[in-house]
Amino acid sequence: DQQVKQNSPSLSVQEGRISILNCDYTNSMFDYFLWYKKYPAEGPTFLISISSIKDKNEDGRFTVFLNKSAKHLSLHIVPSQPGDSAVYFCAALISGGSYIPTFGRGTSLIVHP
Amino acid sequence: KAGVTQTPRYLIKTRGQQVTLSCSPISGHRSVSWYQQTPGQGLQFLFEYFSETQRNKGNFPGRFSGRQFSNSRSEMNVSTLELGDSALYLCASSLSSRYYNEQFFGPGTRLTVL
Repeated sequence: DQQVKQNSPSLSVQEGRISILNCDYTNSMFDYFLWYKKYPAEGPTFLISISSIKDKNEDGRFTVFLNKSAKHLSLHIVPSQPGDSAVYFCAALISGGSYIPTFGRGTSLIVHP
Repeated sequence: KAGVTQTPRYLIKTRGQQVTLSCSPISGHRSVSWYQQTPGQGLQFLFEYFSETQRNKGNFPGRFSGRQFSNSRSEMNVSTLELGDSALYLCASSLSSRYYNEQFFGPGTRLTVL
Protein backbone atom coordinates (compact mmCIF):
# COMPACT_ATOMS: atom_id res chain seq x y z
CA ASP A 1 0.00 0.00 0.00
CA GLN A 2 1.60 3.21 -1.19
CA GLN A 3 1.66 5.88 1.46
CA VAL A 4 3.24 8.47 -0.83
CA LYS A 5 1.88 8.74 -4.35
CA GLN A 6 3.08 10.63 -7.37
CA ASN A 7 0.31 9.94 -9.84
CA SER A 8 1.96 11.52 -12.87
CA PRO A 9 4.84 9.39 -14.14
CA SER A 10 5.92 12.14 -16.52
CA LEU A 11 5.49 15.83 -17.23
CA SER A 12 6.54 17.85 -20.26
CA VAL A 13 6.95 21.63 -20.02
CA GLN A 14 8.26 24.42 -22.23
CA GLU A 15 11.32 26.32 -21.10
CA GLY A 16 10.37 29.43 -19.17
CA ARG A 17 6.99 28.09 -18.11
CA ILE A 18 5.97 26.80 -14.70
CA SER A 19 6.41 23.12 -13.81
CA ILE A 20 4.06 21.75 -11.15
CA LEU A 21 4.80 18.34 -9.70
CA ASN A 22 2.25 16.81 -7.39
CA CYS A 23 2.41 14.39 -4.49
CA ASP A 24 -0.28 12.88 -2.27
CA TYR A 25 0.14 11.02 1.00
CA THR A 26 -2.14 8.90 3.10
CA ASN A 27 -0.42 8.70 6.48
CA SER A 28 -1.53 11.63 8.63
CA MET A 29 1.45 11.05 10.91
CA PHE A 30 3.85 12.35 8.27
CA ASP A 31 5.03 15.78 9.38
CA TYR A 32 8.05 16.47 7.20
CA PHE A 33 8.24 16.36 3.44
CA LEU A 34 11.16 16.46 1.03
CA TRP A 35 11.72 16.69 -2.69
CA TYR A 36 14.70 15.09 -4.39
CA LYS A 37 15.95 15.43 -7.93
CA LYS A 38 17.65 12.59 -9.75
CA TYR A 39 19.63 12.70 -12.98
CA PRO A 40 20.41 9.48 -14.88
CA ALA A 41 23.45 7.59 -13.55
CA GLU A 42 23.49 9.74 -10.40
CA GLY A 43 21.98 9.37 -6.96
CA PRO A 44 19.09 11.58 -5.84
CA THR A 45 20.01 15.00 -4.49
CA PHE A 46 18.01 16.90 -1.91
CA LEU A 47 16.12 19.85 -3.37
CA ILE A 48 13.75 21.41 -0.86
CA SER A 49 11.73 20.43 2.19
CA ILE A 50 8.78 21.60 4.24
CA SER A 51 7.60 21.00 7.76
CA SER A 52 3.94 20.43 8.48
CA ILE A 53 3.84 23.63 10.54
CA LYS A 54 4.23 25.57 7.30
CA ASP A 55 2.21 25.66 4.13
CA LYS A 56 4.87 27.07 1.85
CA ASN A 57 8.63 27.04 1.52
CA GLU A 58 10.58 28.83 -1.16
CA ASP A 59 14.15 28.48 -2.39
CA GLY A 60 15.00 30.40 -5.51
CA ARG A 61 13.03 29.02 -8.43
CA PHE A 62 11.63 26.19 -6.31
CA THR A 63 8.58 26.46 -4.07
CA VAL A 64 6.86 23.66 -2.21
CA PHE A 65 3.26 24.02 -1.09
CA LEU A 66 1.65 21.82 1.55
CA ASN A 67 -2.08 21.31 1.99
CA LYS A 68 -2.42 19.23 5.14
CA SER A 69 -6.18 18.88 5.00
CA ALA A 70 -5.94 17.43 1.49
CA LYS A 71 -2.75 15.51 2.30
CA HIS A 72 -1.25 17.01 -0.80
CA LEU A 73 1.95 18.78 -1.65
CA SER A 74 3.27 20.26 -4.83
CA LEU A 75 6.60 21.47 -6.14
CA HIS A 76 6.57 24.53 -8.38
CA ILE A 77 9.54 25.36 -10.58
CA VAL A 78 9.46 28.85 -12.07
CA PRO A 79 10.82 29.46 -14.62
CA SER A 80 11.59 25.95 -15.83
CA GLN A 81 14.96 25.39 -17.47
CA PRO A 82 16.21 22.50 -19.63
CA GLY A 83 18.66 21.60 -16.85
CA ASP A 84 15.67 20.88 -14.62
CA SER A 85 14.91 17.80 -16.73
CA ALA A 86 15.21 14.94 -14.24
CA VAL A 87 13.16 12.56 -12.14
CA TYR A 88 11.66 14.22 -9.06
CA PHE A 89 10.88 12.19 -5.96
CA CYS A 90 8.59 13.27 -3.19
CA ALA A 91 9.30 11.81 0.27
CA ALA A 92 7.62 12.01 3.65
CA LEU A 93 8.67 11.09 7.14
CA ILE A 94 7.67 11.23 10.78
CA SER A 95 10.19 13.49 12.45
CA GLY A 96 9.64 12.08 15.91
CA GLY A 97 9.96 8.53 14.71
CA SER A 98 12.59 6.68 12.75
CA TYR A 99 13.25 9.61 10.39
CA ILE A 100 13.26 7.13 7.52
CA PRO A 101 11.67 8.76 4.46
CA THR A 102 8.94 7.04 2.46
CA PHE A 103 9.37 7.85 -1.21
CA GLY A 104 6.94 8.20 -4.07
CA ARG A 105 7.67 6.51 -7.40
CA GLY A 106 8.87 9.70 -9.02
CA THR A 107 7.81 12.01 -11.84
CA SER A 108 10.02 12.44 -14.88
CA LEU A 109 10.13 16.10 -15.87
CA ILE A 110 11.20 17.08 -19.37
CA VAL A 111 11.74 20.76 -20.07
CA HIS A 112 11.84 21.53 -23.78
CA PRO A 113 13.98 24.42 -25.05
CA LYS B 1 35.11 16.70 0.05
CA ALA B 2 34.61 13.38 -1.68
CA GLY B 3 31.04 12.18 -2.12
CA VAL B 4 29.47 8.82 -1.40
CA THR B 5 31.04 6.09 -3.48
CA GLN B 6 29.54 2.75 -4.36
CA THR B 7 31.22 -0.26 -5.89
CA PRO B 8 30.76 -1.89 -8.23
CA ARG B 9 28.67 0.40 -10.42
CA TYR B 10 27.27 -2.45 -12.50
CA LEU B 11 26.85 -6.12 -11.75
CA ILE B 12 25.32 -9.08 -13.56
CA LYS B 13 24.48 -12.21 -11.63
CA THR B 14 22.35 -15.29 -12.18
CA ARG B 15 19.50 -16.57 -10.08
CA GLY B 16 20.57 -18.36 -6.93
CA GLN B 17 23.89 -16.56 -6.63
CA GLN B 18 24.72 -14.09 -3.91
CA VAL B 19 26.09 -10.58 -4.21
CA THR B 20 27.87 -8.06 -2.00
CA LEU B 21 27.68 -4.33 -2.66
CA SER B 22 29.91 -1.76 -1.01
CA CYS B 23 29.34 1.83 0.08
CA SER B 24 31.87 4.34 1.35
CA PRO B 25 30.16 7.30 3.03
CA ILE B 26 31.30 10.89 3.14
CA SER B 27 34.10 11.33 5.65
CA GLY B 28 32.67 11.96 9.10
CA HIS B 29 29.25 10.56 8.30
CA ARG B 30 28.23 7.74 10.62
CA SER B 31 24.80 6.92 9.26
CA VAL B 32 24.51 4.81 6.12
CA SER B 33 21.16 3.86 4.60
CA TRP B 34 20.43 1.53 1.71
CA TYR B 35 17.57 1.83 -0.75
CA GLN B 36 16.31 -0.28 -3.63
CA GLN B 37 15.01 1.55 -6.68
CA THR B 38 12.88 -0.23 -9.23
CA PRO B 39 10.70 1.28 -11.97
CA GLY B 40 7.55 -0.10 -10.43
CA GLN B 41 8.19 0.66 -6.77
CA GLY B 42 10.35 3.75 -6.68
CA LEU B 43 12.82 4.02 -3.81
CA GLN B 44 12.26 1.59 -0.99
CA PHE B 45 14.18 1.68 2.26
CA LEU B 46 16.22 -1.42 3.05
CA PHE B 47 18.09 -0.64 6.27
CA GLU B 48 20.11 1.96 8.12
CA TYR B 49 23.33 1.52 10.01
CA PHE B 50 24.78 3.89 12.57
CA SER B 51 28.06 3.25 14.39
CA GLU B 52 28.13 -0.39 13.23
CA THR B 53 24.60 -1.10 14.50
CA GLN B 54 21.52 -1.65 12.40
CA ARG B 55 19.14 1.01 13.62
CA ASN B 56 16.22 0.62 11.22
CA LYS B 57 15.06 -2.04 8.81
CA GLY B 58 12.61 -1.92 5.94
CA ASN B 59 10.18 -4.56 4.83
CA PHE B 60 12.50 -6.84 2.89
CA PRO B 61 13.11 -10.60 3.28
CA GLY B 62 16.00 -11.95 5.29
CA ARG B 63 17.96 -12.60 2.10
CA PHE B 64 18.87 -8.93 2.29
CA SER B 65 21.43 -8.16 4.96
CA GLY B 66 24.05 -5.58 5.67
CA ARG B 67 26.77 -4.52 7.98
CA GLN B 68 28.84 -1.48 8.82
CA PHE B 69 32.49 -1.37 9.70
CA SER B 70 34.28 0.80 12.23
CA ASN B 71 35.31 3.23 9.48
CA SER B 72 31.58 3.63 8.61
CA ARG B 73 31.93 1.82 5.29
CA SER B 74 28.97 -0.42 4.71
CA GLU B 75 28.25 -3.55 2.73
CA MET B 76 24.96 -4.99 1.62
CA ASN B 77 24.54 -8.66 0.82
CA VAL B 78 21.76 -10.37 -1.08
CA SER B 79 21.72 -14.15 -1.00
CA THR B 80 19.87 -16.55 -3.30
CA LEU B 81 19.23 -13.90 -5.90
CA GLU B 82 15.85 -13.74 -7.63
CA LEU B 83 14.94 -12.08 -10.92
CA GLY B 84 12.95 -9.48 -8.97
CA ASP B 85 16.10 -8.34 -7.20
CA SER B 86 17.21 -6.59 -10.39
CA ALA B 87 17.30 -2.95 -9.38
CA LEU B 88 19.42 0.09 -8.68
CA TYR B 89 20.75 -0.11 -5.14
CA LEU B 90 21.43 3.26 -3.61
CA CYS B 91 23.43 4.08 -0.55
CA ALA B 92 23.06 7.35 1.34
CA SER B 93 25.11 8.79 4.15
CA SER B 94 24.53 11.49 6.73
CA LEU B 95 25.88 12.58 10.08
CA SER B 96 22.82 10.99 11.65
CA SER B 97 19.44 9.86 10.39
CA ARG B 98 17.97 13.02 11.96
CA TYR B 99 19.86 15.11 9.42
CA TYR B 100 17.52 14.09 6.64
CA ASN B 101 18.08 17.32 4.72
CA GLU B 102 21.75 16.42 4.62
CA GLN B 103 21.49 12.88 3.36
CA PHE B 104 23.79 12.41 0.40
CA PHE B 105 23.24 9.61 -2.08
CA GLY B 106 25.83 7.69 -4.03
CA PRO B 107 25.41 6.96 -7.75
CA GLY B 108 24.11 3.47 -7.06
CA THR B 109 24.96 -0.07 -8.12
CA ARG B 110 22.91 -1.40 -11.02
CA LEU B 111 22.28 -5.11 -10.35
CA THR B 112 20.90 -7.31 -13.09
CA VAL B 113 19.83 -10.83 -12.23
CA LEU B 114 19.52 -13.23 -15.17
